[in-house]
Amino acid sequence: ETGVTQSPTHLIKTRGQQVTLRCSSQSGHNTVSWYQQALGQGPQFIFQYYREEENGRGNFPPRFSGLQFPNYSSELNVNALELDDSALYLCASSQVPRNTDTQYFGPGTRLTVL
Amino acid sequence: AQRVTQPEKLLSVFKGAPVELKCNYSYSGSPELFWYVQYSRQRLQLLLRHISRESIKGFTADLNKGETSFHLKKPFAQEEDSAMYYCALVTIAGKSTFGDGTTLTVKP
Repeated sequence: ETGVTQSPTHLIKTRGQQVTLRCSSQSGHNTVSWYQQALGQGPQFIFQYYREEENGRGNFPPRFSGLQFPNYSSELNVNALELDDSALYLCASSQVPRNTDTQYFGPGTRLTVL
Repeated sequence: AQRVTQPEKLLSVFKGAPVELKCNYSYSGSPELFWYVQYSRQRLQLLLRHISRESIKGFTADLNKGETSFHLKKPFAQEEDSAMYYCALVTIAGKSTFGDGTTLTVKP
């Protein structure tokens, strides 16, 4: 059984650019959630994907978008990057989008926007 | 909107002392509550969830709906318990809300 992986580990972008972050779910999981974690804060829910469809969204603007693929891997896309987008981005997978289900987290991607 | 508050950013205890990490929540529905832990240089992982009513690594947490709290307790802290602890609430719609975490340091 493989765990959740994320790529890249870290990257640096400039304001106004676009970025794509990637996540591979744990084997057997069909649900992926994305979180933004600013320094000194807890993870903030961005959105969740279940069977390739968005299945819930937090308070993030439309320039944060995502995709889930048939193999249940996922992408987070952020357009028109702002300085405040600098954060650790976490993805987490679970077997089903049930509120009692355990989420398994990846190591995160550290995004720096200059 | 739901909210999770962990009032202590830092908590320091001596080895063998009891420890309690506080978590308060606000949510109009019936919540599912979790504690996650992040050890140094490791990823965030589940510690325990209230629905399971289990004890993991000697930690327990009781959901108190009257006080809207889900405090994490351990009677005798160990040095390996030093970590960042996050309380999280999940709504019926599956949306997770995390607190800002408490850094626990257990001194020898």
